[in-house]
Amino acid sequence: DIQMTQSPASLSASLGETVTIECRASEDIYNGLAWYQQKPGKSPQLLIYNANSLHTGVPSRFSGSGSGTQYSLKINSLQSEDVASYFCQQYYDYPWTFGGGTKLELK
Amino acid sequence: QVQLQQSGAELAKPGSSVKISCKASGYTFTSYYISWIKQTTGQGLEYIGYINTGSGGTNYNEKFKGKATLTVDKSSSTAFMQLSSLTPDDSAVYYCAVGTYSFAYWGQGTLVTVSS
Repeated sequence: DIQMTQSPASLSASLGETVTIECRASEDIYNGLAWYQQKPGKSPQLLIYNANSLHTGVPSRFSGSGSGTQYSLKINSLQSEDVASYFCQQYYDYPWTFGGGTKLELK
Repeated sequence: QVQLQQSGAELAKPGSSVKISCKASGYTFTSYYISWIKQTTGQGLEYIGYINTGSGGTNYNEKFKGKATLTVDKSSSTAFMQLSSLTPDDSAVYYCAVGTYSFAYWGQGTLVTVSS
C-alpha cells in the first residue's frame, strides 16, 4: 500500500496568516490526491481533488499544489472557521490511503 | 441536494456482527458508487472498499476482506455494510461516501463500539 506521510501533525497559526500543510507519498501518485477538512464531530469535507482542483463552493484561499510524491495544501489569510483537522488521500493506487492528519489551531 | 443518512450508533459484543445502513437521496443512486471509510483516533482514516450501486459488484481493501461485507438495496437507495466477528479493534466511526476516488459527499458517520 502507498504510505502517505503528512506534516506537521499539529500547527498553530494566527488569523490572517498563510499556512502550508505537506503530504508525501511513498511513491509517485501522479496527482491522484485529495485534501479534506474535518471539524470536531463532523464528517470530512472535500477541499481539493486531483492535487490542485478546488472543489465547488470551497473558498479560494485554499489551494493545492505538488507533483510526484510531494504535495501541499496552502491556506491564505487564515480565518477562524479554518480551525480543523486536515487530511490528504491518494487515489492513484488501490487501496486508497490517507495521511495521518494535521490539526490546525489558532495562536 | 445530495444527502447520505447513516443508521445510529451501535454497541456490540465481541464476536457478534453489526449492519450499518446508508440511505442516499438527492441524486440517482445507481449513478455513483458508494465507498466506506473507517476512522479511529489511533489509526486515522482507513479505506474499506466500494460497491457498484448498479451491479452490486464490490472491491475491498485486502485488509477488510472477511471483516466487511458491502451490499445495496436499489429499491430504497440504501447501501449497507456488515461487520462480522467484531473485536475491540473494530470500534470506530464508519462513514459512507459517494464516489470511488475522491469523496465530495459523506454520511454523518456511525459509531460502533465493541465491548463486553
